[in-house]
Amino acid sequence: QKEVEQNSGPLSVPEGAIASLNCTYSDRGSQSFFWYRQYSGKSPELIMFIYSNGDKEDGRFTAQLNKASQYVSLLIRDSQPSDSATYLCAVNNNNDMRFGAGTRLTVKP
Amino acid sequence: GAVVSQHPSRVICKSGTSVKIECRSLDFQATTMFWYRQFPKKSLMLMATSNEGSKATYEQGVEKDKFLINHASLTLSTLTVTSAHPEDSSFYICSASLMGGGNTEAFFGQGTRLTVV
Repeated sequence: QKEVEQNSGPLSVPEGAIASLNCTYSDRGSQSFFWYRQYSGKSPELIMFIYSNGDKEDGRFTAQLNKASQYVSLLIRDSQPSDSATYLCAVNNNNDMRFGAGTRLTVKP
Repeated sequence: GAVVSQHPSRVICKSGTSVKIECRSLDFQATTMFWYRQFPKKSLMLMATSNEGSKATYEQGVEKDKFLINHASLTLSTLTVTSAHPEDSSFYICSASLMGGGNTEAFFGQGTRLTVV
């Protein structure tokens, strides 16, 4: 059974703080890793993807991947109220894309 | 990013009728399309994976005779919910992958909110 685990939250951070979202996966053959943001009642939208071990930065977002530990995380710097949403971790192995349950993030003004 | 169009965005149907949902990749060819269902405040649940020109692969517990998937071309996949019942009411989302292997991202349609009355 291929599993992707996330803490469901809710995770609450004050505006301007760093939000840290974590995800673990069970399929060692997974090749690519994605973070999606989903607002209530809307479809998920891609924030970042990462393929290689290490950090990948894009604006206020940093994805971190550690394949040995089967762990991927997303850091959101200078969190804004508009970042409040559910963040979904997704793991892809040869076009078999699996999602975590999502972590609900609330950024309080 | 690539665009995936899903239609209709919202549909209300009577119990016992069938509903067809379309998923189109507008500016790329998608070898693989995925269909998900999402209940309120729950995660996406993969229903099936469809590859162009071949039968869809259904996840365990998903009735293939109830949820008919047709991936007729590299830009179109359809999901038909047959003999819909109120418990089928949900948010259905498709996604499409660019042609390629493991390092491909999925682009999502807007989703279809199905309400069966």
